[in-house]
Amino acid sequence: DAKTTQPNSMESNEEEPVHLPCNHSTISGTDYIHWYRQLPSQGPEYVIHGLTSNVNNRMASLAIAEDRKSSTLILHRATLRDAAVYYCILRSGGGADGLTFGKGTHLIIQP
Amino acid sequence: DTAVSQTPKYLVTQMGNDKSIKCEQNLGHDTMYWYKQDSKKFLKIMFSYNNKELIINETVPNRFSPKSPDKAHLNLHINSLELGDSAVYFCASGGGGGAETQYFGPGTRLLVL
Repeated sequence: DAKTTQPNSMESNEEEPVHLPCNHSTISGTDYIHWYRQLPSQGPEYVIHGLTSNVNNRMASLAIAEDRKSSTLILHRATLRDAAVYYCILRSGGGADGLTFGKGTHLIIQP
Repeated sequence: DTAVSQTPKYLVTQMGNDKSIKCEQNLGHDTMYWYKQDSKKFLKIMFSYNNKELIINETVPNRFSPKSPDKAHLNLHINSLELGDSAVYFCASGGGGGAETQYFGPGTRLLVL
């Protein structure tokens, strides 16, 4: 799987939007962009994924650059419960291989 | 109902012992996975398994072996436990395609003394 680059940590205030960036300059045409998060002492949790178009769900939005070499996870109104490590992961279109986790971004939410 | 469950939640054992961790999913997925998260919090895939294919991460020692009695279960057997096996082990299930989501269990915290 192609590699992703994320900031080690980010800090935001409660009830403000958070934009988490991810660079994936070697992405291939069949790679999907997935975001997972891991809250303290829990298993990873799916957040959102997309291929080319921007995506919205109840948890977040995913903005994908036109050249697909970067993407941004947007939490519209962060709460303390959003404090977690967020992972940006590329997944190729075929096969049963697992997810390749990087170091992720540790998101800190200040009250 | 919990989608992906693991037992036990905590496991403390001595070096050299053999232990198993059980995983069950009720999502009807074809593919199940085992991941290891070490003390530095790095998450790595160990195995991917469906009824047709077992994909093994080449870095996993052969002391680790997945056993699947049926489609809803993928257990992890570990022989001759070593200190370095201490970690959190996560089971997951999901589809095998690039667009498919994976669902993770709560983890099993293994401590080898």
